[in-house]
Amino acid sequence: LAKTTQPISMDSYEGQEVNITCSHNNIATNDYITWYQQFPSQGPRFIIQGYKTKVTNEVASLFIPADRKSSTLSLPRVSLSDTAVYYCLVGEYFGNEKLTFGTGTRLTIIP
Amino acid sequence: GAVVSQHPSWVICKSGTSVKIECRSLDFQATTMFWYRQFPKQSLMLMATSNEGSKATYEQGVEKDKFLINHASLTLSTLTVTSAHPEDSSFYICSEAGDYNEQFFGPGTRLTVL
Repeated sequence: LAKTTQPISMDSYEGQEVNITCSHNNIATNDYITWYQQFPSQGPRFIIQGYKTKVTNEVASLFIPADRKSSTLSLPRVSLSDTAVYYCLVGEYFGNEKLTFGTGTRLTIIP
Repeated sequence: GAVVSQHPSWVICKSGTSVKIECRSLDFQATTMFWYRQFPKQSLMLMATSNEGSKATYEQGVEKDKFLINHASLTLSTLTVTSAHPEDSSFYICSEAGDYNEQFFGPGTRLTVL
């Protein structure tokens, strides 16, 4: 499983766009990139998943460059409720593969 | 996505007792479920992979005789912490795998061992 590296923490003001970058230099050809959000005392929640280029859903966008050695989660116009820990994971496109969580990024939104 | 429930949401027990945590898949038949443990301010740590109808696969360093996992049906996996001690106090989270390697997590169970 490819190891990921993320900033430990980030602060941002309400209404701003937040970009969290994840490095995964040894990502394999079959690996997909998935981001999860976790609030205190709750299980993580799936946010977005992608393989290359750009993926967008109602919550976030995921940008993946051509070499796929990094990815950026973009949260548009954040609010206080976006304060959480965000995890970037990489793994093969099979439903039953175990996932290894890194340290995650603790995002704090400031009023 | 899939909906996963856990019961209980929190439990307090005395040292030496055993505690069972249930993980249910409410709208999906999960042949594989995962159990994680999370200590305060730390990331999730995978404990074991639970396979329906067969023995669980434990991660290195996780005692299989202490953390008993049973996955007797496609909708229920249980984790029993046997002879719990204060160092077992943690947040236990289960998940089931979706169709595209996303996982759907339960709300977690807070275990406190006195």
